Amino acid sequence: EAQVTQNPRYLITVTGKKLTVTCSQNMNHEYMSWYRQDPGLGLRQIYYSMNVEVTDKGDVPEGYKVSRKEKRNFPLILESPSPNQTSLYFCASSFKGLDQPQHFGDGTRLSIL
Amino acid sequence: GESVGLHLPTLSVQEGDNSIINCAYSNSASDYFIWYKQESGKGPQFIIDIRSNMDKRQGQRVTVLLNKTVKHLSLQIAATQPGDSAVYFCADLRRGSARQLTFGSGTQLTVLP
Repeated sequence: EAQVTQNPRYLITVTGKKLTVTCSQNMNHEYMSWYRQDPGLGLRQIYYSMNVEVTDKGDVPEGYKVSRKEKRNFPLILESPSPNQTSLYFCASSFKGLDQPQHFGDGTRLSIL
Repeated sequence: GESVGLHLPTLSVQEGDNSIINCAYSNSASDYFIWYKQESGKGPQFIIDIRSNMDKRQGQRVTVLLNKTVKHLSLQIAATQPGDSAVYFCADLRRGSARQLTFGSGTQLTVLP
């Protein structure tokens, strides 16, 4: 089954404690992306990757890092989380880029206390 | 700034009726538009997309209409079913070197028995 898998699904943590949200896709997609979803704001792109070892900033990259060492994996790293990063996060992938439908994971709800 | 908005945050329809969800976009340089459905606790799911060289596109029980003159996009769902209850949001992709996908905040569709 084609899918994007995120882990963990839920996490409550404290300010400053580094965390990583993993994302894996099994569709051999080149393009992967991270979004955050906040009430009333819609999805906003954090970082994206056009292919292995190619990453770039989205609209709201501050406080986040990503890496793309393998085609299937695209982890999101919060080096020093802060309360304003409390949000619902989605990983997505598409075959080539933004002008194609993206497949989304089921989300990771992060609460930073 | 550029934005994609929705006319109504909520929409209730009777089961079996047709639903129409509207979306306005402001970026005249957008050339790709897409609709997603998001059920509670899940990630967005692709419904249908359309490129700016088309006015209408049909899928299974869904139709997307694009009016570039007034920068308006609509999603029509035929014979709405209980399983169609979800948040629906549109997104538009700005063409050019700085490709940006802008998501609306969504319309909650409730199907009444």
